[in-house]
Amino acid sequence: GAGVSQSPSNKVTEKGKDVELRCDPISGHTALYWYRQSLGQGLEFLIYFQGNSAPDKSGLPSDRFSAERTGGSVSTLTIQRTQQEDSAVYLCASSAQGAASGANVLTFGAGSRLTVL
Amino acid sequence: AQSVSQHNHHVILSEAASLELGCNYSYGGTVNLFWYVQYPGQHLQLLLKYFSGDPLVKGIKGFEAEFIKSKFSFNLRKPSVQWSDTAEYFCAVTRFYGGATNKLIFGTGTLLAVQP
Repeated sequence: GAGVSQSPSNKVTEKGKDVELRCDPISGHTALYWYRQSLGQGLEFLIYFQGNSAPDKSGLPSDRFSAERTGGSVSTLTIQRTQQEDSAVYLCASSAQGAASGANVLTFGAGSRLTVL
Repeated sequence: AQSVSQHNHHVILSEAASLELGCNYSYGGTVNLFWYVQYPGQHLQLLLKYFSGDPLVKGIKGFEAEFIKSKFSFNLRKPSVQWSDTAEYFCAVTRFYGGATNKLIFGTGTLLAVQP
């Protein structure tokens, strides 16, 4: 597609429920990133995909967080047993170049705003 | 720990004032440097980047940034701001390991409000 698409744009859930957030990157972009944006915290790296594999998942905050990417395209970020501290905007980005180049320019989606009550 | 620091969290300026937003990073070695901007209600988008060469880089909308290696800094500047520059500005850095993954590390952002 023309840009990075994320869904849902807004999600309100109850503590303890599982949520899935979807990212559809720009067609042909091999690299895909998930970040979390919290008030006053900037952007926190979560996980990076190159193709379908995740060479760097060091930013996932706990084992309640997982992500997968299939077909080298769509990615899903899953948060199990959500907690109030999971409330944030989850941003997906893609780039044509892999992260190893260091010259990767990221194109961001609009984000999924998650509110855990 | 690797970090990117933006010293100004909230800046308020009048139109036509000059802008300088500070950014410092804590890595040694080769780095790539970026400024991203998020206008109200819009996606994060790239403002400018530095990979190599002339340390003074120009971006969109009249913004520029200067890489000063000795100071580990990449400050963003604009000589005369406009109301439409109201946005949140993020500095970001990747450290070039060569072969390893280089995730983009962001600062905490600077919220700029330009008053007409």
